[in-house]
Amino acid sequence: KQEVTQIPAALSVPEGENLVLNCSFTDSAIYNLQWFRQDPGKGLTSLLLIQSSQREQTSGRLNASLDKSSGRSTLYIAASQPGDSATYLCAVGGATNKLIFGTGTLLAVQP
Amino acid sequence: GAGVSQSPSNKVTEKGKDVELRCDPISGHTALYWYRQSLGQGLEFLIYFQGNSAPDKSGLPSDRFSAERTGGSVSTLTIQRTQQEDSAVYLCASSSARVVETQYFGPGTRLLVL
Repeated sequence: KQEVTQIPAALSVPEGENLVLNCSFTDSAIYNLQWFRQDPGKGLTSLLLIQSSQREQTSGRLNASLDKSSGRSTLYIAASQPGDSATYLCAVGGATNKLIFGTGTLLAVQP
Repeated sequence: GAGVSQSPSNKVTEKGKDVELRCDPISGHTALYWYRQSLGQGLEFLIYFQGNSAPDKSGLPSDRFSAERTGGSVSTLTIQRTQQEDSAVYLCASSSARVVETQYFGPGTRLLVL
């Protein structure tokens, strides 16, 4: 059974810092990995999608990497801003694109 | 264009009552997913539709839960004889390809069973 773990569970940083969020999964037979952000009381917003054949994806200040063989992904956020404060979720997709989610990292960026 | 919409946004019900939750996917999206987000369990998959058929129902927690999709569009998740442990946020997502595609999530329905 696929299990997805995220570390740390919570993180507080001052504005402007670069930071890394970690995601690990137990079964490397995935089709893709996605990073989402969730704001309080709202749905999920997709940030980055990495297909199983890819090693990384970039969007603006965000960079996500994928190492399937070791079952790890990282989300790098450069020059963090207070607006980045949210819960970040990673999820792995299987054959039907059913997503298995991690437990999330609650990020607070202090102005 | 319009995103995924869900209704109602909030639902309070008494234990033992039945509830229906609705999802309107993005127009043209053939795949539709239901997830549940609860404090104790995190965000978990419930059911996946491709068109009107559900090839993966593995996440439905009990036979009190059922879902259908009609016309390849709207989906309804029904919970019969609700229990307090059913209290959660129910999220719907849709995507335009069966595999390797971004899922677009709706805002969710917050269900509270008293």
